[in-house]
Amino acid sequence: AQSVTQLDSQVPVFEEAPVELRCNYSSSVSVYLFWYVQYPNQGLQLLLKYLSGSTLVESINGFEAEFNKSQTSFHLRKPSVHISDTAEYFCAVRFISSGTYKYIFGTGTRLKVLA
Amino acid sequence: DTGVSQDPRHKITKRGQNVTFRCDPISEHNRLYWYRQTLGQGPEFLTYFQNEAQLEKSRLLSDRFSAERPKGSFSTLEIQRTEQGDSAMYLCASSLGWGIDFGSGTRLTVV
Repeated sequence: AQSVTQLDSQVPVFEEAPVELRCNYSSSVSVYLFWYVQYPNQGLQLLLKYLSGSTLVESINGFEAEFNKSQTSFHLRKPSVHISDTAEYFCAVRFISSGTYKYIFGTGTRLKVLA
Repeated sequence: DTGVSQDPRHKITKRGQNVTFRCDPISEHNRLYWYRQTLGQGPEFLTYFQNEAQLEKSRLLSDRFSAERPKGSFSTLEIQRTEQGDSAMYLCASSLGWGIDFGSGTRLTVV
């Protein structure tokens, strides 16, 4: 079955430290990959996406994610986090070759940035 | 572009009652999605439409759940004979190409 795994349910990190949030998906078929962010008491917002081309994609607020086809991963990284990055982060995948437009989400990783 | 709109924002209902939620997608988006999210979990896929056609429905979805998108614009999600386990945030999203844009959700509490 198609699935998305976010192994870390919570990640505490000190301000200005680097962070990596892990995402793996179940199949090596063609995929579109996304990270969404949910700030406290807010809705889900698209953070960044991979559709094709360069395997390293960046967001406007300093996050980046790298698509690794052989490891079926799309880990999210930031070299230096801020208090304002505290939020829940969801990885999402659309499995293109299955012919569906369904998006499958992981269970989320709660990032808590400590002062 | 006013974003995806959902109504109501909150709904409290007694077990056994029926409830209906409405979603208005971004106007030019042809695909509309319903997801359910519970505390500590990611959005769980329920169903999606392309225009007025319901193309996929989760196998986990009970027969008590039904969704419609009669004219390919707004959509409704109805839950019949609600149970306490139906308490969750119900999210609507829409899409034209890649990625989906979410609404703020309808929080359902079944008492």
